[in-house]
Amino acid sequence: QKEVEQDPGPLSVPEGAIVSLNCTYSNSAFQYFMWYRQYSRKGPELLMYTYSSGNKEDGRFTAQVDKSSKYISLFIRDSQPSDSATYLCAMSGGNAGNMLTFGGGTRLMVKP
Amino acid sequence: DGGITQSPKYLFRKEGQNVTLSCEQNLNHDAMYWYRQDPGQGLRLIYYSQIVNDFQKGDIAEGYSVSREKKESFPLTVTSAQKNPTAFYLCASSLAGGEEQYFGPGTRLTVT
Repeated sequence: QKEVEQDPGPLSVPEGAIVSLNCTYSNSAFQYFMWYRQYSRKGPELLMYTYSSGNKEDGRFTAQVDKSSKYISLFIRDSQPSDSATYLCAMSGGNAGNMLTFGGGTRLMVKP
Repeated sequence: DGGITQSPKYLFRKEGQNVTLSCEQNLNHDAMYWYRQDPGQGLRLIYYSQIVNDFQKGDIAEGYSVSREKKESFPLTVTSAQKNPTAFYLCASSLAGGEEQYFGPGTRLTVT
């Protein structure tokens, strides 16, 4: 079993939809949680960064962490075709220190 | 502009040849990282360096070598000992002890 699990998709939604992307993890020591957006053939771009449990909002994006369930989510409101990309979750903490453990990524397609 | 540059964007090599990928950052970050990304997979850590003249193996270091002679530069050599070198290689950097890693645009290496 991988330490961080992420549904690979693809997830296809119509423009304007609310998108929910999720990751589950097994290491209860993780404390720092990140979401990266990666366009095709480009490097990942840091989108959201959250420490411990709770919500964090930035424009159309909301990151949610539920440490009790070992589950994190990224919500995208009013999705746009420009949001079409692969979304990678990453986390660190505990014995891993500041080294990141990545999920495999979810490919999102937002259709106009 | 502050950021991370990787060159070249595309690289083609014959089997049995060593090849060096360049990574430069002007973010004044102490730590630098090399990852490998294969289709549909997450990022796997090859090597990392927390400080100049020091580096550690990541999860998949076999067949790779690095050097860190300058804070700004962290070149990766893919040697002929690497069994499956064709992949997308990503360089990242962060503040010392920082969880937020920032990525370069990547180098796509094809070995035939």
